[in-house]
Amino acid sequence: AQSVTQLGSHVSVSEGALVLLRCNYSSSVPPYLFWYVQYPNQGLQLLLKYTTGATLVKGINGFEAEFKKSETSFHLTKPSAHMSDAAEYFCAVSDRGIQKLVFGTGTRLLVSP
Amino acid sequence: DAGVTQSPTHLIKTRGQQVTLRCSPKSGHDTVSWYQQALGQGPQFIFQYYEEEERQRGNFPDRFSGHQFPNYSSELNVNALLLGDSALYLCASSSIGGNTGELFFGEGSRLTVL
Repeated sequence: AQSVTQLGSHVSVSEGALVLLRCNYSSSVPPYLFWYVQYPNQGLQLLLKYTTGATLVKGINGFEAEFKKSETSFHLTKPSAHMSDAAEYFCAVSDRGIQKLVFGTGTRLLVSP
Repeated sequence: DAGVTQSPTHLIKTRGQQVTLRCSPKSGHDTVSWYQQALGQGPQFIFQYYEEEERQRGNFPDRFSGHQFPNYSSELNVNALLLGDSALYLCASSSIGGNTGELFFGEGSRLTVL
């Protein structure tokens, strides 16, 4: 069965600092991988996705993630945090062609001035 | 282009009651999935509908049922509500012919069971 582990339920950074949110997955087949962001009292918005091809994926708002098969990881990074990045971030995995997402428990990003 | 719309946005029920939540998918999408997000947790897959049939189901009891209409919109019904059913219910739409697995989410219906 697929699963996703997000290390750290809360991550705090200063504005302008590097953001690193960790995600490890378990899947028996090469998966599709996603990062979603959720602002308070809102639904989920897709940040980026990996399906095939280039392992370094760029998304919206300056975020990127790298698929590392050997480490079964898909960590999310952003070079310089902005106050508006404060939100809950979810990593998710799905089998190819299934359109069913398995989510991690989320990481709350806190950005201080 | 309207995205995924859900109604109602908030509702309060008491234990034992029944609730119906509604979802209209993004234009051009034919598949609707429902997720339950308890407070402080990631979303959990409930079920998925395509061609008015339940295509996949997660680990939820039969109290959770759904329906998809010919216009692709969908309903989620929960019977005999329990306190533990309090959560944000998210609807997501996609195209069965899509090959990226990406889901588009609505803003959710927040259910409180007292």
